[in-house]
Amino acid sequence: DAGITQSPRYKITETGRQVTLMCHQTWSHSYMFWYRQDLGHGLRLIYYSAAADITDKGEVSDGYVVSRSKTENFPLTLESATRSQTSVYFCASRGTVSYNEQFFGPGTRLTVL
Amino acid sequence: AQSVSQHNHHVILSEAASLELGCNYSYGGTVNLFWYVQYPGQHLQLLLKYFSGDPLVKGIKGFEAEFIKSKFSFNLRKPSVQWSDTAEYFCAVLGANYGQNFVFGPGTRLSVLP
Repeated sequence: DAGITQSPRYKITETGRQVTLMCHQTWSHSYMFWYRQDLGHGLRLIYYSAAADITDKGEVSDGYVVSRSKTENFPLTLESATRSQTSVYFCASRGTVSYNEQFFGPGTRLTVL
Repeated sequence: AQSVSQHNHHVILSEAASLELGCNYSYGGTVNLFWYVQYPGQHLQLLLKYFSGDPLVKGIKGFEAEFIKSKFSFNLRKPSVQWSDTAEYFCAVLGANYGQNFVFGPGTRLSVLP
């Protein structure tokens, strides 16, 4: 089915471990985004990508790494997870026309113990 | 930095009451404006969007929003809410000064009592 998918949907890990969250979209959208959603903070941008091999930092990028070797995939890695990274993570994608809507994935709930 | 504010953190209404959620943004140039809804446990979905033309925009599920350029506002309205409208609502702005990224407001939680 076409759309944007995230995996895993739920993840529990321990402090200091590396974790990778996967995001895949089937629309060939140029832009892809990672957000985290925390109570009281709304959605905050972690990283974004304008195209394959082009990525840039968002508002809260410390402790996160991304890559985009293929247009359809945009994995997010927590190099050494911390408790403050416990959150719900949403991936999103958008086409190149500015008034295109941004489509969101179902989210990954990450708990760092 | 550009910002989006939403007037209310949590709104509680009874069914059939009218709804207005405020949204203001700080950028004065050309903007595209969006309202997203997030039902409990779900991802964000687009309710409506404005990019040009008629400043009164109609969206899904009976929602509408009015763009008032002079007030930098894009308030969301619904004449009669239902219990199923219980959700979190996010205003978002995309403009030249925002780069290629949406700027989201902090969200307004709407609770509709049956």
